[in-house]
Amino acid sequence: GAVVSQHPSRVICKSGTSVKIECRSLDFQATTMFWYRQFPKQSLMLMATSNEGSKATYEQGVEKDKFLINHASLTLSTLTVTSAHPEDSSFYICSARDSSVGFSGNTIYFGEGSWLTVV
Amino acid sequence: AQSVAQPEDQVNVAEGNPLTVKCTYSVSGNPYLFWYVQYPNRGLQFLLKYITGDNLVKGSYGFEAEFNKSQTSFHLKKPSALVSDSALYFCAVRDPLYNFNKFYFGSGTKLNVKP
Repeated sequence: GAVVSQHPSRVICKSGTSVKIECRSLDFQATTMFWYRQFPKQSLMLMATSNEGSKATYEQGVEKDKFLINHASLTLSTLTVTSAHPEDSSFYICSARDSSVGFSGNTIYFGEGSWLTVV
Repeated sequence: AQSVAQPEDQVNVAEGNPLTVKCTYSVSGNPYLFWYVQYPNRGLQFLLKYITGDNLVKGSYGFEAEFNKSQTSFHLKKPSALVSDSALYFCAVRDPLYNFNKFYFGSGTKLNVKP
């Protein structure tokens, strides 16, 4: 099946620094990717929709300047957490929609997630 | 407003017994319904979906779910639970009338299958 790869799977960074998480669709093209955040023992909350070649669409309450999203190619979206703080520590999951398939309902695939710990 | 409710934080079942994980939803139009499973420190794995057609859908690992429009439910079931089924299960809905690509997830239900 289709694979979405996230890198790194785990990252530890110091407060005040920036960290980048990559989301790649390995065997399909994705004009649209999505970034979710999951707090421990809680559900996934959509942060933003990443659109290839254009600006991301952020959900209400998500800081655009803090969570920078770039979708420069049809197979790669990046999430950069800028000036990270301990409260940004979380599990971040991306998903990607296969652009080649019609709206059949299950053309969105999830990555394995990335653990961010800010110390 | 679109929403998904999983009323049980945790479900405990003995191995070999049937299991049910409950899910109810609220959407504007006809829902696209999904179940995902998450193992510790991992991403989401797709189990099954309902888009249209037969209300009973069968998915991976012997799981099935029944769409009940009148009760706005999509409960996940398995006739005989395995210890390896222990994981976190998420119900999700997409509302094609509102935002086709956006998933609304339930809060998750932790399934514990004991030997």
